[in-house]
Amino acid sequence: EIVLTQSPDTLSLSPGERATLSCRASQSVKSNFLAWYQQKLGQAPRLLISGASSRATGIPDRFSGGGSGTDFTLTISRLEPEDFAVYYCQQYGSSPITFGQGTRLEIK
Amino acid sequence: QVQLVESGPGLVKTSQTLSLTCTVSGGSITSGYYSWSWIRQHPGVGLEWIGYIHYSGSTYGNPSLRSRLAMSVDTSKNQFSLELSSVTAADTAVYYCAKKHGGGYFDSWGQGTLVTVSS
Repeated sequence: EIVLTQSPDTLSLSPGERATLSCRASQSVKSNFLAWYQQKLGQAPRLLISGASSRATGIPDRFSGGGSGTDFTLTISRLEPEDFAVYYCQQYGSSPITFGQGTRLEIK
Repeated sequence: QVQLVESGPGLVKTSQTLSLTCTVSGGSITSGYYSWSWIRQHPGVGLEWIGYIHYSGSTYGNPSLRSRLAMSVDTSKNQFSLELSSVTAADTAVYYCAKKHGGGYFDSWGQGTLVTVSS
C-alpha cells in the first residue's frame, strides 16, 4: 500500500501568513489522484482539493494544491482564523485508499 | 447537497459484531457514479479507509479488515450498512460514512459516531 507522510506534524503560524503543507508518497500516486481535507475539532473532514489541484465546490481560492508523482503540497495563501485545523492528504490512485497522518495548523 | 447520518450502538462487547447504518438524504443512493464508504478514526489518530459499496451490491474492503467486514445496501430505504465481526478494543473509533466520488475521493461525510468496544 502507498504510505503518505505529511510534514510538518505541527505548523505554528499567525493569521495573514502563508502556510505550506507537504504530503510525500512512498511511491508515485497514479494520475495524481490525491485529495486534501480539513478537519476541525469534533467535526468530520471536509474535502478541499481533489486531483492534486482542483478546488472542491465552495472552497476559497486562498487554498491551492500542487505537486505530482510523490510530492504534493497544500498552500493557504493568507491564513484566516477559521483555517486553523488539522489537514489530511489522501491518495486514491491505488488500492487500498490511504491517508496521511495529518498536519496540525495552530495559531502562533 | 447530500446528507449522511450514521446510526447504531455506541458500545459493543469484545468479540461481538459492530453494526452501523448510514442513511442518505438529499440524493439517491442509486446514483451510479458514486459509491458509499466507511472510514474510521481512532481517538486522536488519523483516518483509516474501511471499504465501500456500490448500489449494485459490489463491495471492496481494506485488505486489513476484509476478513471481518460485511457491507450491504438497502435502496428502498436509501441506506447502506457496515458489519465488523470479532471486534476488539482496537476497533474503538469514530466511524464515518461518506460518499465516494467515482474518482475515489470523499466529497460528503456524515457527522461520525463513536463506537467503543469493551468487555
